[in-house]
Amino acid sequence: DSGVTQTPKHLITATGQRVTLRCSPRSGDLSVYWYQQSLDQGLQFLIHYYNGEERAKGNILERFSAQQFPDLHSELNLSSLELGDSALYFCASSPSGISNQPQHFGDGTRLSIL
Amino acid sequence: AQKVTQAQTEISVVEKEDVTLDCVYETRDTTYYLFWYKQPPSGELVFLIRRNSFDEQNEISGRYSWNFQKSTSSFNFTITASQVVDSAVYFCALSEAYGNKLVFGAGTILRVKS
Repeated sequence: DSGVTQTPKHLITATGQRVTLRCSPRSGDLSVYWYQQSLDQGLQFLIHYYNGEERAKGNILERFSAQQFPDLHSELNLSSLELGDSALYFCASSPSGISNQPQHFGDGTRLSIL
Repeated sequence: AQKVTQAQTEISVVEKEDVTLDCVYETRDTTYYLFWYKQPPSGELVFLIRRNSFDEQNEISGRYSWNFQKSTSSFNFTITASQVVDSAVYFCALSEAYGNKLVFGAGTILRVKS
């Protein structure tokens, strides 16, 4: 158990819909990262938050947004969903966001778009 | 730009065989960090090891060992006396000193047969 909690574990929805994925980092970790794992793109970095502030953006679509709340949990919002958004979405956390700190991953949310 | 290459898409071995998973990386930074993660069939990502670019000592942890060679930009992972429970997808990843993200290789599927 990594200590990172992601909900829900599975999500099935239709094209055009909007969903919210939730992540609670390990106790004491201030940084939260979001990654997308798909068959064609592999594991891709989406976005990084540190103590409520956005720190880095990766290949995140404009239809996607994220935030980190004062209690340090984070949400990833995906809107106008397309079939290609079907993927496993991981959240990871680390103590301070310094590059040499390992990121510990949650179990992921599997999103299926019908 | 950062890049991680895991040329072996899939490896099959018989239990008790030794197996080496290859990882080659590209970066312009002189300070960077290398990681290995394991993704078992259940889907979670499990952190295995971190290595700093300025520390080329090899590391052994039980049946696992890692060989880091800056001269060839490689960070290979060897499992000695493989077991069925080692069956998983293994990812090599790179983080640069001033980046906040992990760049993952495509992963190597390891199948250990009894």
